[in-house]
Amino acid sequence: SQQGEEDPQALSIQEGENATMNCSYKTSINNLQWYRQNSGRGLVHLILIRSNEREKHSGRLRVTLDTSKKSSSLLITASRAADTASYFCATAGPSGGYQKVTFGTGTKLQVIP
Amino acid sequence: KAGVTQTPRYLIKTRGQQVTLSCSPISGHRSVSWYQQTPGQGLQFLFEYFSETQRNKGNFPGRFSGRQFSNSRSEMNVSTLELGDSALYLCASTRQGSQETQYFGPGTRLLVL
Repeated sequence: SQQGEEDPQALSIQEGENATMNCSYKTSINNLQWYRQNSGRGLVHLILIRSNEREKHSGRLRVTLDTSKKSSSLLITASRAADTASYFCATAGPSGGYQKVTFGTGTKLQVIP
Repeated sequence: KAGVTQTPRYLIKTRGQQVTLSCSPISGHRSVSWYQQTPGQGLQFLFEYFSETQRNKGNFPGRFSGRQFSNSRSEMNVSTLELGDSALYLCASTRQGSQETQYFGPGTRLLVL
């Protein structure tokens, strides 16, 4: 089963609005990453937040992490049509002496020009 | 620096056949992970290789196998193909392990008829 569950599954907003996506997970993690995927293509890394960090920014992206609630959110401010894509969270945690990465189910974002 | 490359990009096979997919990581990256992406199951982790050794394995049947060569290039093989194996197969590379920022290739889209 997926470690991460994204919410909502799909989101449609107007250009210029903010988009917020949430990710919940079940087990302890070392870090959480957000990726973006344009239709049928490979994933592109957006941001990594470590378990001892609470918030991180990168350009128009803001990620928060609440380890007590086992959840993270990705905020995209002033969205653009080019932000239309699927967004995935990925958790990295210990597994048998190594790190295991598990991807969430994804949020499909549509930004309408 | 060249990105992660995957060959072939598209593949059509029939049930019962076998297939081999190839992934060339970014120069200097020693870890290669493979993922299967389908609309129904999302992104599922297949396995991770590091320095020619399988370090992690997902919950896939033995028909799915892989290997890594001394130059870090990796191949995955699927034997006795089933219709449900139709998917986008993604590989990702990192320097040390999948818990780091992963750099994804464009994927190989496999269609099993």
